[in-house]
Amino acid sequence: GNSVTQMEGPVTLSEEAFLTINCTYTATGYPSLFWYVQYPGEGLQLLLKATKADDKGSNKGFEATYRKETTSFHLEKGSVQVSDSAVYFCALSVPGFSGGYNKLIFGAGTRLAVHP
Amino acid sequence: SQTIHQWPATLVQPVGSPLSLECTVEGTSNPNLYWYRQAAGRGLQLLFYSVGIGQISSEVPQNLSASRPQDRQFILSSKKLLLSDSGFYLCAWSFLGTAPNTEAFFGQGTRLTVV
Repeated sequence: GNSVTQMEGPVTLSEEAFLTINCTYTATGYPSLFWYVQYPGEGLQLLLKATKADDKGSNKGFEATYRKETTSFHLEKGSVQVSDSAVYFCALSVPGFSGGYNKLIFGAGTRLAVHP
Repeated sequence: SQTIHQWPATLVQPVGSPLSLECTVEGTSNPNLYWYRQAAGRGLQLLFYSVGIGQISSEVPQNLSASRPQDRQFILSSKKLLLSDSGFYLCAWSFLGTAPNTEAFFGQGTRLTVV
């Protein structure tokens, strides 16, 4: 079946540290991959996406590369800020069971806390 | 530009009471609409999706129901809430179609606590 596995949190870092949040997936076919971010008390916002193998998604200093050979989509940032503190969700998009729509399959989320 | 509104932001309801959460989308037509639930410490689970007015499908059996009375309105309901219905409910929309790179756009969410 289709599934997403993320590293468990919380991840606690000091400001300007390097961030990696691991994400691996299992899917039939060729899904699109996404990272969403959820700031405290808010809904989810799309952070970045990649639609095919070797694509690199990037936004706000975050990057992730679609690795088909390792079925991974790890999120990285070279220098985190306190404002990056949030929950990060890895997700893949697959056709829905009955067709006509796509559904997102999410990982459990990884909480990131950045301290000054 | 498109926007999505979801309300209320928080809700505390007794066991056995009814539920109605509403979501509306502006700035687009014929969107796909979704209700997701986020349980504490877990990822998001798709509850319902809709590809058109009056067309509702569910992927998981549950105590909840959904309706789409208008093109850009999506309602999540229950006749009698259970404790296990507590969670964070998110409405989302995507452009019509099944292009695999179609992303979903989420509302701010409703935190429901059943007591």
